[in-house]
Amino acid sequence: KAGVTQTPRYLIKTRGQQVTLSCSPISGHRSVSWYQQTPGQGLQFLFEYFSETQRNKGNFPGRFSGRQFSNSRSEMNVSTLELGDSALYLCASSLGYLNTEAFFGQGTRLTVV
Amino acid sequence: DQQVKQNSPSLSVQEGRISILNCDYTNSMFDYFLWYKKYPAEGPTFLISISSIKDKNEDGRFTVFLNKSAKHLSLHIVPSQPGDSAVYFCAASGDGGSQGNLIFGKGTKLSVKP
Repeated sequence: KAGVTQTPRYLIKTRGQQVTLSCSPISGHRSVSWYQQTPGQGLQFLFEYFSETQRNKGNFPGRFSGRQFSNSRSEMNVSTLELGDSALYLCASSLGYLNTEAFFGQGTRLTVV
Repeated sequence: DQQVKQNSPSLSVQEGRISILNCDYTNSMFDYFLWYKKYPAEGPTFLISISSIKDKNEDGRFTVFLNKSAKHLSLHIVPSQPGDSAVYFCAASGDGGSQGNLIFGKGTKLSVKP
């Protein structure tokens, strides 16, 4: 079956702009999580959605937001982009909420100039 | 303050020998630990996990050991193969095993030389 699909794969934005990233989970998976990966900080948890509800949120400013649709697809939005937002954004999906393996997509590489 | 630490940014091992990757954590509420492997340009892939009620879990060439009193876990790969060359991330969860809210270490880059 198809894996986790993230679009776009690469993105270049200017400071101050906003961006929306998309994640389509594996069919049947209802939990979607987002992570930011940077060389200095490693992988950091952004938020987790299950059944269209945000279940957990990491320690990121309010400029980072997300949502999940009824078909489990998820989007994350970053407003007023800063240079430090340049990172690989990874989405992971899992079948349920607890005790289920998470499968990661290939990520969206965001560069802010 | 890093709750999950992988103090070795890189490790080089000869093919056929054992690779030992280490991870320390500070939060005693963590009850589930996982190892992920990541190749360049790909997302992390789940490798093996261990619950805090166990001290060892084995899956083929991969074994994870957990020492709760020391707040330390390690991943052993025996024998190491060149295809194991990747970045390995240790992760922890305090959510009863939920993999949706993981705290990751910064990773250790393993190089297995033929």
